[in-house]
Amino acid sequence: AQSVTQLDSQVPVFEEAPVELRCNYSSSVSVYLFWYVQYPNQGLQLLLKYLSGSTLVKGINGFEAEFNKSQTSFHLRKPSVHISDTAEYFCAVSDQLGRGTYKYIFGTGTRLKVLA
Amino acid sequence: DTAVSQTPKYLVTQMGNDKSIKCEQNLGHDTMYWYKQDSKKFLKIMFSYNNKELIINETVPNRFSPKSPDKAHLNLHINSLELGDSAVYFCASSPRTIYNEQFFGPGTRLTVL
Repeated sequence: AQSVTQLDSQVPVFEEAPVELRCNYSSSVSVYLFWYVQYPNQGLQLLLKYLSGSTLVKGINGFEAEFNKSQTSFHLRKPSVHISDTAEYFCAVSDQLGRGTYKYIFGTGTRLKVLA
Repeated sequence: DTAVSQTPKYLVTQMGNDKSIKCEQNLGHDTMYWYKQDSKKFLKIMFSYNNKELIINETVPNRFSPKSPDKAHLNLHINSLELGDSAVYFCASSPRTIYNEQFFGPGTRLTVL
């Protein structure tokens, strides 16, 4: 079964500084990876996803992530953060269960706190 | 138009009571899910339905019973509520493919006193 690890539970960063949120996944033949953001008191929404092709994936709100197969990583980056980026970020992998069914495995989340 | 909606948004109740949370999606998706998010923000899948058929049933107490009257609705009924059931419950939906994103509802915050 697939798994994802988010090593950092909290990441404080000053406004306009760059940020990287780390995600590692367990290896598999094929892997589908996602980053979601959860703003306070809201549901999760998709930032970006990697299915195949280019290893650099661009998402909404200026975020991007790089798929690295050799390091089994899918780190999320933003070159300059805003106060409004303060949220919980979840990495997820889609795990095939068989018989055409699958489920998402979510990481434990990283709280990004942007400081003024 | 709200894509995935849940009612109620907040639910405060006493231990031992029975309560239900409703979920509806207007995206035409085949698959719907219930997740539980605890106080540490850890997100765990509880159930998944595909076209009204239960396909994922994680290790969840029998007090939790999902019901899908049609593919646009997935409700969650909880019997004999316990303190440990306090959490935020999210409904989500997606097309039935491994590479598609899931669309989440706004969540229902359940507090058991």
